[in-house]
Amino acid sequence: QVQLKESGPGLVQPSQTLSLTCTVSGLSLTSNSVSWIRQPPGKGLEWMGVIWSNGGTDYNSAIKSRLSISRDTSKSQVFLKMNSLQTEDTAMYFCARRRLPGYPFDYWGQGVMVTVSS
Amino acid sequence: DIQMTQSPASLSASLGETVTIECRASEDIYSNLAWYQQKPGNSPQLLIYDANSLADGVPSRFSGSGSGTQYSLKINSLQSEDVASYFCQQYNNYDTFGAGTKLELK
Repeated sequence: QVQLKESGPGLVQPSQTLSLTCTVSGLSLTSNSVSWIRQPPGKGLEWMGVIWSNGGTDYNSAIKSRLSISRDTSKSQVFLKMNSLQTEDTAMYFCARRRLPGYPFDYWGQGVMVTVSS
Repeated sequence: DIQMTQSPASLSASLGETVTIECRASEDIYSNLAWYQQKPGNSPQLLIYDANSLADGVPSRFSGSGSGTQYSLKINSLQSEDVASYFCQQYNNYDTFGAGTKLELK
């Protein structure tokens, strides 16, 4: 059974760095890609970036300079780090699985709410 | 970057009615289009992929159509459990989502 679960701090101060973890089960990170997607309260979804099955990464050009995605395959974990946080980064952050390139996201985590505030 | 324009932003319909939501891509996305349903407090759930293929476990009252830059999601015989927000997503060139449609009961 495929499962993804996000974890991380609920509150981050402005200008600080956000660190989130996506722990997966029921799938191998070496044969699946995992993306991070966020959703500000009451708004739409924004794809942030992906770590592919081969360990390569791609990022949304709008936030590329602030974002880093990595993984630890032995722990079945994917990491997101984003620096220089501002209030507009307040959002629910989801990780999601894509089985293969050219497929949609078929499994999502429950999400973790991150508030940027002093 | 590919832009996705989704309409309407909100929709009110009666039980048993048929509703249609549309998405337009800024360029041809070759049917690499998915629809998701999101209920309050939950993560999005895949409904339709490849523009017209029903995801596992999704009721047959949901259907998708379209090609090129124009796509639509149709819900036949609206049920109370269909009250949710719906998002389209292109995955032809990375990923972009539409702004969403909030579906309510009239």
